[in-house]
Amino acid sequence: KAGVTQTPRYLIKTRGQQVTLSCSPISGHRSVSWYQQTPGQGLQFLFEYFSETQRNKGNFPGRFSGRQFSNSRSEMNVSTLELGDSALYLCASSRGTGDWQPQHFGDGTRLSIL
Amino acid sequence: EDQVTQSPEALRLQEGESSSLNCSYTVSGLRGLFWYRQDPGKGPEFLFTLYSAGEEKEKERLKATLTKKESFLHITAPKPEDSATYLCAFAAGGGADGLTFGKGTHLIIQP
Repeated sequence: KAGVTQTPRYLIKTRGQQVTLSCSPISGHRSVSWYQQTPGQGLQFLFEYFSETQRNKGNFPGRFSGRQFSNSRSEMNVSTLELGDSALYLCASSRGTGDWQPQHFGDGTRLSIL
Repeated sequence: EDQVTQSPEALRLQEGESSSLNCSYTVSGLRGLFWYRQDPGKGPEFLFTLYSAGEEKEKERLKATLTKKESFLHITAPKPEDSATYLCAFAAGGGADGLTFGKGTHLIIQP
């Protein structure tokens, strides 16, 4: 069974640019969540999508947005990039929302801002 | 404020030397307590979910336990391949703000 797939694995951008990251969940999983991981803050919740609707949102600025498609694939967009956005962005999928089934993570996209 | 603290931050053990990792949490309405393992350059790998105090789960050399304030990950006779960062996280009822993670325990098992 294929796991969560995130593309690209590595990305280098400059300040002010925007970026789109992609996530394909495990087959049959309808919930996709996004997290930011940095050495100082650890893993922090960005948002969750279920059935193409954003269900929950963490404490991040509006520059961070996402969407989910009918096949449960999800994209995350960050606009007007700042140096502090350099991080590992992780996507996790689970069968449903609110039932606290385990979330399964991809290997992330490493974003570096120059 | 809901929060989770893991200790120690780092732990170095000899192969075969058993120990425990601690995860202390403060949360209103715990829905689940999760343990993950993360290897360098990889995403977290799911290990266990615990839902209520007194619950225990085991997998190979690992055993997770849960009380009303803490969770422990016991590692029995560890091997070098058990070296990784171990993360705990909780899901809280009410706010449903995704998983709240601790900073992790970096475990090194020396042969």
